Amino acid sequence: QKEVEQNSGPLSVPEGAIASLNCTYSDRGSQSFFWYRQYSGKSPELIMFIYSNGDKEDGRFTAQLNKASQYVSLLIRDSQPSDSATYLCAVSDQGGKLIFGQGTELSVKP
Amino acid sequence: DTGVSQNPRHKITKRGQNVTFRCDPISEHNRLYWYRQTLGQGPEFLTYFQNEAQLEKSRLLSDRFSAERPKGSFSTLEIQRTEQGDSAMYLCASSPAGDSGNTIYFGEGSWLTVV
Repeated sequence: QKEVEQNSGPLSVPEGAIASLNCTYSDRGSQSFFWYRQYSGKSPELIMFIYSNGDKEDGRFTAQLNKASQYVSLLIRDSQPSDSATYLCAVSDQGGKLIFGQGTELSVKP
Repeated sequence: DTGVSQNPRHKITKRGQNVTFRCDPISEHNRLYWYRQTLGQGPEFLTYFQNEAQLEKSRLLSDRFSAERPKGSFSTLEIQRTEQGDSAMYLCASSPAGDSGNTIYFGEGSWLTVV
């Protein structure tokens, strides 16, 4: 059973701080990794994807991938209350479908 | 709007009734996925199509569930003899190709409540 694991949270950070969200996956052959944001009652929205080891930055968001440790993370700098949401980690299998973790709830306090 | 479109957005049905959801993917996308999500959980894969071919169906999927994509464009997901445990958000998504690494884009979801 291929699995993606995340801490469910909630993770609470003060406004302006760095939020760090973590994810591990079991399938060593996975090649593509995604972070989605989901507001309450809404559908998932793609934030970032990463394919190669290392860091990928997009604005306030940085995705980090370590394939040897089977670990992917998302850093959110200068966190804003509008970042409060559930963050879903997803891993693409060989066929292209995504396998999701259970999500981490992030709360950014003003 | 050229995003993934789902309808109905909300459906309340009595236990034992059949329901059908429709999904219109992004027009140039040939992959279409169905997921189910319950409160506090991540989306759970149900099935996916490449064009009109159903390539994979989750082993967890009851035979009460059936999906079609007859002309490789829109898709329908039917749930027969609904049960209260079927209450969830049903998400449709699409992607442009079958290669691992192509991002998938979700529709707004269809909420099902079985009473």
